[in-house]
Amino acid sequence: GENVEQHPSTLSVQEGDSAVIKCTYSDSASNYFPWYKQELGKRPQLIIDIRSNVGEKKDQRIAVTLNKTAKHFSLHITETQPEDSAVYFCAATTGTGGFKTIFGAGTRLFVKA
Amino acid sequence: EAQVTQNPRYLITVTGKKLTVTCSQNMNHEYMSWYRQDPGLGLRQIYYSMNVEVTDKGDVPEGYKVSRKEKRNFPLILESPSPNQTSLYFCASSSTSEETQYFGPGTRLLVL
Repeated sequence: GENVEQHPSTLSVQEGDSAVIKCTYSDSASNYFPWYKQELGKRPQLIIDIRSNVGEKKDQRIAVTLNKTAKHFSLHITETQPEDSAVYFCAATTGTGGFKTIFGAGTRLFVKA
Repeated sequence: EAQVTQNPRYLITVTGKKLTVTCSQNMNHEYMSWYRQDPGLGLRQIYYSMNVEVTDKGDVPEGYKVSRKEKRNFPLILESPSPNQTSLYFCASSSTSEETQYFGPGTRLLVL
């Protein structure tokens, strides 16, 4: 079946450094790529998303890039802060003729003060 | 307040005893999904619905049923729960297939 691979599974950075999380998807029909942040004991919440007709999107300290040819997308967090510590999930949705959404396995980000 | 609600939040049951987890959203969203979250596996889609009376299987539908008789409600039914269905379950809704999904608070299920 279709899948999304996410790396790394754990990432530890110093406060102020940048963090990069990468995902690769298999379904070439995927057209929507959200990133969710999940804090301990909480529900996932969207932090940024990108659609298949866009290559890059930025929102303050967070940016996402998409390479449709390589079926690869990445999350970039700059100037990390301790409150960025959480689990981050990428996902790929195939909206044509359905609504299948596949999540990556998650990246646990630790930001050390 | 725009929200997705789930009930119950916690449930302990025994193998084979039918149960239903309710999900309701007040945002008039057409798209709704159920996910299960297990350590190391991320979230896996169980079923989704694109509108009233329109449902389809996700990645892990075995052992689950859903229905979508009204736009706001999307219950998850376990006809004969088994221990391997012990998990954290999330319901989610979105306005389109290319918009964010809003998640409910989660239901933690333990099947003995």
